[in-house]
Amino acid sequence: NAGVTQTPKFRVLKTGQSMTLLCAQDMNHEYMYWYRQDPGMGLRLIHYSVGEGTTAKGEVPDGYNVSRLKKQNFLLGLESAAPSQTSVYFCASTLGHEQYFGPGTRLTVT
Amino acid sequence: DAKTTQPPSMDCAEGRAANLPCNHSTISGNEYVYWYRQIHSQGPQYIIHGLKNNETNEMASLIITEDRKSSTLILPHATLRDTAVYYCIVRVGYLRAAGNKLTFGGGTRVLVKP
Repeated sequence: NAGVTQTPKFRVLKTGQSMTLLCAQDMNHEYMYWYRQDPGMGLRLIHYSVGEGTTAKGEVPDGYNVSRLKKQNFLLGLESAAPSQTSVYFCASTLGHEQYFGPGTRLTVT
Repeated sequence: DAKTTQPPSMDCAEGRAANLPCNHSTISGNEYVYWYRQIHSQGPQYIIHGLKNNETNEMASLIITEDRKSSTLILPHATLRDTAVYYCIVRVGYLRAAGNKLTFGGGTRVLVKP
């Protein structure tokens, strides 16, 4: 049981490039989330999903898109990366009260 | 979701109990209190949650006042590995329409000293 995994762990992008972050969970959870965390701050919700094929905006959705084609996967896309998107990105999943978090992806946009 | 207020930082001695306060004076009757912690650079980790009764698990105890306007997370015997940022979050419980979202504030940075 791997829990929540994230790919990649680190990435450096140039401004304007695109990329996709992958989150996978093997716990059969309905709900999945993408957060970002800037230095010295708490996590902020980007997008979330309450089930396969459904997504919704969180607190800071601009500049990001998501897809949940399979229940176990939640993808976060950056179409045109900007330096303001330099952050650590965390994925999480839940079936009830407890959210399980992945180890994070550290993204730098130069 | 109700807002929470936590002290920005606190120190505690290794082996002693650590008592982390959280104020949530605007909490509603159907909102739970959740505690998570984040050890440096790692993803947050769930600790405990409660509605109105005190709760205990293998990690910690949660004491909620009778009026539910504040709570205390107790780490009974703090170790160096408990050094982390602790987040108190208030949220409506498991509710599909609300998306079971968490809103993180600044948390309390806890430093356990030898």
